[in-house]
Amino acid sequence: GQNIDQPTEMTATEGAIVQINCTYQTSGFNGLFWYQQHAGEAPTFLSYNVLDGLEEKGRFSSFLSRSKGYSYLLLKELQMKDSASYLCAVLDSNYQLIWGAGTKLIIKP
Amino acid sequence: IAGITQAPTSQILAAGRRMTLRCTQDMRHNAMYWYRQDLGLGLRLIHYSNTAGTTGKGEVPDGYSVSRANTDDFPLTLASAVPSQTSVYFCASSRTPSSPGELFFGEGSRLTVL
Repeated sequence: GQNIDQPTEMTATEGAIVQINCTYQTSGFNGLFWYQQHAGEAPTFLSYNVLDGLEEKGRFSSFLSRSKGYSYLLLKELQMKDSASYLCAVLDSNYQLIWGAGTKLIIKP
Repeated sequence: IAGITQAPTSQILAAGRRMTLRCTQDMRHNAMYWYRQDLGLGLRLIHYSNTAGTTGKGEVPDGYSVSRANTDDFPLTLASAVPSQTSVYFCASSRTPSSPGELFFGEGSRLTVL
C-alpha cells in the first residue's frame, strides 16, 4: 500500500532551526508537497519538489531525494507563528495526492 | 467571495439525517476535491471532479455523493449521516487535475453526527 511517514510532534525554540522529515512509499511519483496548517484553519501550500535537491523560499526550504523516498522541510529563524502542523503529501502515478498525518510543531520562547 | 467558500462552518446533526455541505470557488479552477480530516490521520479524499460535469470516487467515498453542475460549485451530500462521519471536511481546488500547482482549501466544515 501507499504510505507517508512523518513524526507526530516536534518541539523547537524560537530563533532556532528545525528539520521535519517525511518518508514515502507510493505507486509512482509526480511530486512532493509541504503544507502548513494552523490549528482550526485550512492547510496552505508551502513548497513543491519534483526533482532531487533543495528548494529555498525565504525562511523555509524543502529537500527531496527520490531514490531514498525522502524529503525534509527546514524552517530557519523560528518564530512563534510557525507553531502549526506541517503536512507532507505525494502526488502518485494517478495524480492523486497521498497525505501524511502531519507533524505538529510546537515553538517555545 | 475570494477563493473557496464552504458552508456551514459547523453543524451538529442527528444520525440518519441528510446533510449537504456547500462549496463554491471563484477562481475558475477546473478540479475540485472533498477531503475529510480526522485526528491522527492524513487528509483522505472522498470525491473529486476534474471538470464540470464529471466526478470520481476517492479513497473513502462510501456514504457520500457529489455533483458538479458547473465550474464553481461542488456540494457534498451525506444521504443518511452516521457517527463515523463526524469529521472536519475540506473542499479544495486546483487549476487542473494534474497540475503541480498548489491546492487551495476552504476553511472547513466541522460536522458532528450524534
